[in-house]
Amino acid sequence: GQNIDQPTEMTATEGAIVQINCTYQTSGFNGLFWYQQHAGEAPTFLSYNVLDGLEEKGRFSSFLSRSKGYSYLLLKELQMKDSASYLCAGGSGGYNKLIFGAGTRLAVHP
Amino acid sequence: EPEVTQTPSHQVTQMGQEVILRCVPISNHLYFYWYRQILGQKVEFLVSFYNNEISEKSEIFDDQFSVERPDGSNFTLKIRSTKLEDSAMYFCASQRSGGTSTDTQYFGPGTRLTVL
Repeated sequence: GQNIDQPTEMTATEGAIVQINCTYQTSGFNGLFWYQQHAGEAPTFLSYNVLDGLEEKGRFSSFLSRSKGYSYLLLKELQMKDSASYLCAGGSGGYNKLIFGAGTRLAVHP
Repeated sequence: EPEVTQTPSHQVTQMGQEVILRCVPISNHLYFYWYRQILGQKVEFLVSFYNNEISEKSEIFDDQFSVERPDGSNFTLKIRSTKLEDSAMYFCASQRSGGTSTDTQYFGPGTRLTVL
């Protein structure tokens, strides 16, 4: 089956670094995606990994280990506006449908 | 920057009525998707559409649902006879290339459907 697990909630302090983990049990994911979702809004693309290793995009980085079924999103220099849900998703099948985890709600405090 | 647009932003309907949710994908994109998110739950895949036909659908996408690309720009989701449990946020997404490509899917702002 296809299952994606991530922590429900995390808190962090403004200016700090936070790592949001995601584990998955599936075969055949085309890639692993991270989206940000503010309450009541659409998911916004942040980063994706196809191959093992780290992808860096400004304050956001994402890591993938396919053999371990594990990914993480690293957010640096946290800002208050980073308070949101972070969704881990696997691209699956010939038409790349996204299978989402339940999301991690991040609260950034001053 | 091009974006996916959706109308209406909020639709309220009576149980048993038909609704049509509309989307305009990014213009050079070829792959189109509908997802839904029930309040407080995760985003769920409904259907993917390519080359004017459904390419894949989930168990949720039963005979009450249909999709159409009536012209070169619009992509619609129709729910024939709405049920209370259809109340959710419906997101349209598009992707430039597809297959097993990891090209990015861009999401529209969503339509909040409320069934009374």
